[in-house]
Amino acid sequence: AQTVTQSQPEMSVQEAETVTLSCTYDTSESDYYLFWYKQPPSRQMILVIRQEAYKQQNATENRFSVNFQKAAKSFSLKISDSQLGDAAMYFCAYRSAYGTGTASKLTFGTGTRLQVTL
Amino acid sequence: SQTIHQWPATLVQPVGSPLSLECTVEGTSNPNLYWYRQAAGRGLQLLFYSVGIGQISSEVPQNLSASRPQDRQFILSSKKLLLSDSGFYLCAWSRVETQYFGPGTRLLVL
Repeated sequence: AQTVTQSQPEMSVQEAETVTLSCTYDTSESDYYLFWYKQPPSRQMILVIRQEAYKQQNATENRFSVNFQKAAKSFSLKISDSQLGDAAMYFCAYRSAYGTGTASKLTFGTGTRLQVTL
Repeated sequence: SQTIHQWPATLVQPVGSPLSLECTVEGTSNPNLYWYRQAAGRGLQLLFYSVGIGQISSEVPQNLSASRPQDRQFILSSKKLLLSDSGFYLCAWSRVETQYFGPGTRLLVL
């Protein structure tokens, strides 16, 4: 079974600075998808960024980018020019590219709480 | 664009009472639908998955059941709630690999 580990329970960053959230995963599969979701105080899970394992190029979405290291099974999220609205729980998630049904579920890490200070 | 709705937003129920949580999706057809539960301070655990009307897969056996009476409607139910059913319930939809989540329902069983 796949596992996702987020080793930083909490992180803090000053407004306008850059922060990197870590995520590692364990899988024997060669094709899969990785995601970062943001959960603000409202608790709705919001997709931040997505990475396909077969793509070597790191995904980027505006101020958010990832460092995907497939051999190391690492998938970190970099937030540039941090804003107060970035404060939230961030979850890393894994999805197999194989199978259907419950095999298509997302496996989540335990999350990293990001604080943004003035 | 697609939107996903869940209601109620918050629910307080006594132990032993029934439960019905509803999720509906707009702006798409034949979505895959998911129910997840999030315990306090933790990640999400998949409860049920559906690829179509009347087709439900269960990830873990428990006190809950799910139904999909219409293409874009997904219902989570229980006949008798337990204290351990308390949590935050999220519905999600997908067409391919990316899942999009609803606003969630906070359930407190007393």
